[in-house]
Amino acid sequence: EDQVTQSPEALRLQEGESSSLNCSYTVSGLRGLFWYRQDPGKGPEFLFTLYSAGEEKEKERLKATLTKKESFLHITAPKPEDSATYLCAVQAKVGGSQGNLIFGKGTKLSVKP
Amino acid sequence: DVKVTQSSRYLVKRTGEKVFLECVQDMDHENMFWYRQDPGLGLRLIYFSYDVKMKEKGDIPEGYSVSREKKERFSLILESASTNQTSMYLCASSPTRPGAYYNEQFFGPGTRLTVL
Repeated sequence: EDQVTQSPEALRLQEGESSSLNCSYTVSGLRGLFWYRQDPGKGPEFLFTLYSAGEEKEKERLKATLTKKESFLHITAPKPEDSATYLCAVQAKVGGSQGNLIFGKGTKLSVKP
Repeated sequence: DVKVTQSSRYLVKRTGEKVFLECVQDMDHENMFWYRQDPGLGLRLIYFSYDVKMKEKGDIPEGYSVSREKKERFSLILESASTNQTSMYLCASSPTRPGAYYNEQFFGPGTRLTVL
Protein backbone atom coordinates (compact mmCIF):
# COMPACT_ATOMS: atom_id res chain seq x y z
CA GLU A 1 0.00 0.00 0.00
CA ASP A 2 1.27 3.47 -0.91
CA GLN A 3 2.14 5.42 2.21
CA VAL A 4 3.69 8.70 3.33
CA THR A 5 5.07 9.24 6.84
CA GLN A 6 6.31 12.56 8.15
CA SER A 7 8.49 13.09 11.19
CA PRO A 8 8.62 14.61 13.66
CA GLU A 9 4.94 15.45 14.23
CA ALA A 10 5.96 18.70 15.88
CA LEU A 11 9.22 20.63 16.03
CA ARG A 12 10.09 23.63 18.15
CA LEU A 13 13.12 25.69 17.18
CA GLN A 14 14.73 28.87 18.34
CA GLU A 15 15.13 31.56 15.74
CA GLY A 16 18.31 30.82 13.79
CA GLU A 17 18.44 27.15 14.82
CA SER A 18 18.62 25.11 11.60
CA SER A 19 16.95 21.71 11.33
CA SER A 20 15.34 19.21 8.94
CA LEU A 21 11.90 17.69 8.46
CA ASN A 22 11.60 14.17 7.11
CA CYS A 23 9.14 12.62 4.68
CA SER A 24 9.51 8.89 4.02
CA TYR A 25 7.40 7.18 1.40
CA THR A 26 6.58 3.79 -0.05
CA VAL A 27 4.97 3.92 -3.47
CA SER A 28 4.90 1.55 -6.40
CA GLY A 29 6.31 4.13 -8.76
CA LEU A 30 7.06 7.72 -7.85
CA ARG A 31 5.88 10.38 -10.24
CA GLY A 32 6.49 13.37 -8.02
CA LEU A 33 6.98 14.44 -4.42
CA PHE A 34 5.50 17.74 -3.29
CA TRP A 35 6.04 19.98 -0.31
CA TYR A 36 3.36 22.37 0.92
CA ARG A 37 3.20 24.93 3.69
CA GLN A 38 -0.07 25.37 5.58
CA ASP A 39 -0.82 28.22 7.95
CA PRO A 40 -3.58 27.76 10.57
CA GLY A 41 -7.06 27.99 9.08
CA LYS A 42 -5.78 28.28 5.50
CA GLY A 43 -5.28 26.05 2.51
CA PRO A 44 -1.91 24.46 1.72
CA GLU A 45 0.48 26.62 -0.26
CA PHE A 46 2.60 24.86 -2.87
CA LEU A 47 6.37 25.04 -2.25
CA PHE A 48 8.32 22.46 -4.28
CA THR A 49 8.12 19.52 -6.63
CA LEU A 50 10.85 16.86 -6.75
CA TYR A 51 10.75 13.83 -9.01
CA SER A 52 14.14 12.21 -9.27
CA ALA A 53 16.56 10.98 -6.61
CA GLY A 54 19.34 13.49 -6.02
CA GLU A 55 17.23 16.46 -7.01
CA GLU A 56 17.29 19.58 -4.83
CA LYS A 57 15.11 22.69 -4.82
CA GLU A 58 15.60 25.89 -2.82
CA LYS A 59 13.42 28.81 -1.82
CA GLU A 60 14.68 31.40 0.64
CA ARG A 61 15.55 29.50 3.85
CA LEU A 62 14.07 26.21 2.64
CA LYS A 63 15.80 23.45 0.70
CA ALA A 64 14.12 20.21 -0.31
CA THR A 65 16.06 17.07 -1.23
CA LEU A 66 14.97 13.67 -2.50
CA THR A 67 16.32 10.12 -2.23
CA LYS A 68 14.71 6.89 -3.38
CA LYS A 69 12.90 6.43 -0.07
CA GLU A 70 12.61 9.85 1.56
CA SER A 71 12.71 13.58 1.23
CA PHE A 72 14.07 16.18 3.60
CA LEU A 73 13.01 19.77 4.01
CA HIS A 74 15.99 21.65 5.44
CA ILE A 75 15.31 24.94 7.17
CA THR A 76 18.34 27.17 7.54
CA ALA A 77 18.34 29.92 10.17
CA PRO A 78 14.56 29.90 10.56
CA LYS A 79 12.53 32.96 11.50
CA PRO A 80 9.24 33.10 13.43
CA GLU A 81 7.37 33.64 10.15
CA ASP A 82 8.45 30.15 9.07
CA SER A 83 6.13 28.72 11.72
CA ALA A 84 3.53 26.59 9.95
CA THR A 85 2.60 22.99 9.24
CA TYR A 86 4.63 21.49 6.40
CA LEU A 87 2.93 18.80 4.35
CA CYS A 88 4.54 16.24 2.10
CA ALA A 89 2.62 14.47 -0.67
CA VAL A 90 3.55 11.92 -3.32
CA GLN A 91 2.05 11.20 -6.69
CA ALA A 92 2.36 7.58 -7.68
CA LYS A 93 2.16 5.85 -11.02
CA VAL A 94 -1.15 4.04 -11.45
CA GLY A 95 -1.05 1.86 -14.52
CA GLY A 96 0.14 4.13 -17.26
CA SER A 97 -1.30 7.24 -15.68
CA GLN A 98 -0.63 9.61 -12.83
CA GLY A 99 -2.27 8.73 -9.54
CA ASN A 100 -3.79 11.10 -7.04
CA LEU A 101 -1.73 12.74 -4.31
CA ILE A 102 -1.12 10.83 -1.10
CA PHE A 103 -0.49 13.17 1.82
CA GLY A 104 1.45 12.75 5.01
CA LYS A 105 -0.02 14.12 8.23
CA GLY A 106 2.42 16.99 8.39
CA THR A 107 5.06 18.44 10.70
CA LYS A 108 4.02 21.42 12.79
CA LEU A 109 6.97 23.79 13.04
CA SER A 110 7.16 26.50 15.70
CA VAL A 111 10.00 29.02 15.63
CA LYS A 112 10.44 31.11 18.75
CA PRO A 113 12.15 34.52 18.66
CA ASP B 1 -0.75 33.02 -10.24
CA VAL B 2 -3.19 30.17 -9.88
CA LYS B 3 -6.23 31.22 -7.96
CA VAL B 4 -8.68 28.84 -6.38
CA THR B 5 -11.56 30.39 -4.49
CA GLN B 6 -14.15 28.81 -2.23
CA SER B 7 -17.58 30.29 -1.63
CA SER B 8 -17.39 30.51 2.16
CA ARG B 9 -14.61 30.59 4.75
CA TYR B 10 -16.91 29.58 7.59
CA LEU B 11 -20.27 27.83 7.48
CA VAL B 12 -22.61 26.63 10.23
CA LYS B 13 -25.42 24.24 9.35
CA ARG B 14 -27.96 22.08 11.14
CA THR B 15 -28.10 18.30 11.05
CA GLY B 16 -30.15 17.12 8.07
CA GLU B 17 -29.65 20.27 6.00
CA LYS B 18 -28.46 20.09 2.41
CA VAL B 19 -25.14 21.89 2.09
CA PHE B 20 -23.45 23.23 -1.04
CA LEU B 21 -19.75 24.10 -1.12
CA GLU B 22 -18.58 25.89 -4.23
CA CYS B 23 -15.09 26.05 -5.72
CA VAL B 24 -13.91 28.12 -8.67
CA GLN B 25 -10.50 28.16 -10.33
CA ASP B 26 -9.32 30.71 -12.87
CA MET B 27 -6.42 28.90 -14.55
CA ASP B 28 -8.33 26.67 -16.98
CA HIS B 29 -7.24 23.53 -15.11
CA GLU B 30 -8.77 20.26 -16.19
CA ASN B 31 -8.60 18.53 -12.81
CA MET B 32 -10.39 19.50 -9.63
CA PHE B 33 -10.48 17.87 -6.20
CA TRP B 34 -12.34 18.00 -2.90
CA TYR B 35 -10.60 17.03 0.34
CA ARG B 36 -11.49 17.17 3.97
CA GLN B 37 -8.88 17.77 6.64
CA ASP B 38 -9.23 16.63 10.23
CA PRO B 39 -6.73 16.73 13.11
CA GLY B 40 -4.71 13.53 13.27
CA LEU B 41 -6.13 12.24 9.98
CA GLY B 42 -4.56 14.61 7.49
CA LEU B 43 -6.06 15.35 4.08
CA ARG B 44 -8.46 12.78 2.70
CA LEU B 45 -9.76 12.80 -0.86
CA ILE B 46 -13.54 12.86 -1.18
CA TYR B 47 -14.15 13.23 -4.94
CA PHE B 48 -12.28 14.42 -7.98
CA SER B 49 -13.04 15.32 -11.56
CA TYR B 50 -10.86 15.11 -14.66
CA ASP B 51 -13.28 16.81 -16.99
CA VAL B 52 -16.60 18.60 -17.17
CA LYS B 53 -19.48 16.34 -16.10
CA MET B 54 -17.03 13.64 -15.04
CA LYS B 55 -16.47 12.58 -11.45
CA GLU B 56 -14.59 9.89 -9.62
CA LYS B 57 -14.86 8.71 -6.03
CA GLY B 58 -11.94 9.31 -3.76
CA ASP B 59 -11.17 7.58 -0.49
CA ILE B 60 -14.19 8.77 1.53
CA PRO B 61 -17.14 9.57 -0.78
CA GLU B 62 -19.91 8.34 1.52
CA GLY B 63 -22.39 11.08 2.39
CA TYR B 64 -21.14 13.39 -0.37
CA SER B 65 -21.86 14.07 -4.01
CA VAL B 66 -20.31 16.48 -6.52
CA SER B 67 -21.23 18.41 -9.60
CA ARG B 68 -19.07 19.82 -12.39
CA GLU B 69 -21.16 21.56 -15.02
CA LYS B 70 -18.45 24.02 -16.07
CA LYS B 71 -14.72 23.56 -16.32
CA GLU B 72 -13.90 26.23 -13.74
CA ARG B 73 -16.44 25.21 -11.12
CA PHE B 74 -16.63 22.13 -8.87
CA SER B 75 -19.31 21.80 -6.21
CA LEU B 76 -19.41 19.52 -3.20
CA ILE B 77 -22.85 18.59 -1.89
CA LEU B 78 -23.72 17.17 1.50
CA GLU B 79 -27.18 15.72 0.89
CA SER B 80 -28.09 15.51 4.58
CA ALA B 81 -25.44 17.01 6.82
CA SER B 82 -24.38 15.12 9.91
CA THR B 83 -22.22 16.14 12.87
CA ASN B 84 -19.40 13.84 11.73
CA GLN B 85 -19.08 15.98 8.60
CA THR B 86 -17.85 18.90 10.68
CA SER B 87 -14.45 19.55 9.15
CA MET B 88 -12.23 21.79 7.05
CA TYR B 89 -13.04 21.31 3.37
CA LEU B 90 -10.36 22.08 0.80
CA CYS B 91 -10.72 22.37 -2.95
CA ALA B 92 -7.75 21.99 -5.28
CA SER B 93 -7.08 22.12 -9.00
CA SER B 94 -4.29 20.93 -11.24
CA PRO B 95 -3.43 21.13 -14.92
CA THR B 96 -3.11 18.26 -17.32
CA ARG B 97 0.07 18.75 -19.29
CA PRO B 98 0.42 16.19 -22.10
CA GLY B 99 3.61 14.26 -21.64
CA ALA B 100 4.22 15.69 -18.17
CA TYR B 101 5.53 13.27 -15.56
CA TYR B 102 3.61 14.78 -12.65
CA ASN B 103 1.16 17.53 -11.88
CA GLU B 104 1.04 19.56 -8.70
CA GLN B 105 -2.22 20.66 -7.10
CA PHE B 106 -3.11 24.18 -6.01
CA PHE B 107 -5.44 24.69 -3.10
CA GLY B 108 -8.14 27.14 -2.15
CA PRO B 109 -8.37 28.82 1.27
CA GLY B 110 -10.70 26.20 2.72
CA THR B 111 -14.21 26.21 4.21
CA ARG B 112 -14.57 25.47 7.90
CA LEU B 113 -17.94 23.68 8.16
CA THR B 114 -19.63 23.12 11.49
CA VAL B 115 -22.72 20.90 11.64
CA LEU B 116 -24.77 21.30 14.80
